[in-house]
Amino acid sequence: KNEVEQSPQNLTAQEGEFITINCSYSVGISALHWLQQHPGGGIVSLFMLSSGKKKHGRLIATINIQEKHSSLHITASHPRDSAVYICAVLKGGGADGLTFGKGTHLIIQP
Amino acid sequence: NAGVTQTPKFQVLKTGQSMTLQCAQDMNHNSMYWYRQDPGMGLRLIYYSASEGTTDKGEVPNGYNVSRLNKREFSLRLESAAPSQTSVYFCASSEGGTHQPQHFGDGTRLSIL
Repeated sequence: KNEVEQSPQNLTAQEGEFITINCSYSVGISALHWLQQHPGGGIVSLFMLSSGKKKHGRLIATINIQEKHSSLHITASHPRDSAVYICAVLKGGGADGLTFGKGTHLIIQP
Repeated sequence: NAGVTQTPKFQVLKTGQSMTLQCAQDMNHNSMYWYRQDPGMGLRLIYYSASEGTTDKGEVPNGYNVSRLNKREFSLRLESAAPSQTSVYFCASSEGGTHQPQHFGDGTRLSIL
């Protein structure tokens, strides 16, 4: 069983809809990352969390450490939000590598 | 605004050939990483370097070697390429703290025939 599980694997929605992507993990972590991979392949870091909630523009990330669960929300979704969203956890110290979920492929239709 | 630069962007090799993937960062980061991304598998850590002069194995190190040449550069070598190493390879760097983001290069698409 993968240590980091994401759901759904694929999500198609209409422009303007509220989007939720879920991430569950089964190991102890020091931080959780949300990343975005553009259709062209580039990967950018969206959020790092170890507790609570963070917001950046229309993106909101939350984490529940006790339940080992995190969610990424997109409000007022737009076609430019179409991408693969990847959850990753840091199991060890800050310099260790990340352990990734398989990603959620999001398509926002106009 | 170079960030993390990977070369080459694309490469085709024959089974048994060797090659080195190059990665350089200009952000003065301490830590550097090599990941591979395969369909249906997600990204997986091959090797990482927590600081200049150190390297450690990740989840899938077999068939690879790495060199942290200096603080800027971290190379990945395939000594005898195999078709199973066909993948997209990403280099990343970070300052190394728990709440530091990782910055990714654009990737190298490698095909082994």
